[in-house]
Amino acid sequence: GAVVSQHPSWVICKSGTSVKIECRSLDFQATTMFWYRQFPKQSLMLMATSNEGSKATYEQGVEKDKFLINHASLTLSTLTVTSAHPEDSSFYICSALGRGTGTDTQYFGPGTRLTVL
Amino acid sequence: AQRVTQPEKLLSVFKGAPVELKCNYSYSGSPELFWYVQYSRQRLQLLLRHISRESIKGFTADLNKGETSFHLKKPFAQEEDSAMYYCALSVGGGSEKLVFGKGTKLTVNP
Repeated sequence: GAVVSQHPSWVICKSGTSVKIECRSLDFQATTMFWYRQFPKQSLMLMATSNEGSKATYEQGVEKDKFLINHASLTLSTLTVTSAHPEDSSFYICSALGRGTGTDTQYFGPGTRLTVL
Repeated sequence: AQRVTQPEKLLSVFKGAPVELKCNYSYSGSPELFWYVQYSRQRLQLLLRHISRESIKGFTADLNKGETSFHLKKPFAQEEDSAMYYCALSVGGGSEKLVFGKGTKLTVNP
């Protein structure tokens, strides 16, 4: 149980276009999902917290208009990179918060490799 | 500010040797610490959390508030333990946000 999927697993796009990445919790409902960015050989950096039915909370330095997040249902959050540029090329990872008995755990997706030409 | 430091980028040991992956944190609140592991070509997965005080795959980690550390230990490393290990701090407040360290790549040689 507690599987999180991401689609697509990789995408190549031209500079100036927009790209949408989906994050789904397959067998549980997640009111909270998180979006991370990982540069090569570096750690995961939290970009934003996505809450179902409300606006996402962005971390300092992350452009809201650049990285649009929508959490329209309890099993789906999307990240849209608008007007992508080469510097947006990165590995984007989502996680979904599973509520357990007394403990909460983040379950991670496999990541999406974005390359902007 | 919240910060997690993993001083070793790379750690190499031989099979059967003890291994310790270091993690130090900086946080003014009550910390909740985690170790996540990422095996080759796989997603990040939770290895253990300090509040559970459990041993997973032979690994243990003890939270030392005095030294602000949460080192991961295993007495006898196995080749299948080779992976990337990330220490993470939950900054809580009900948000369950995680701050990750930069990770340590563990290689267990035969």
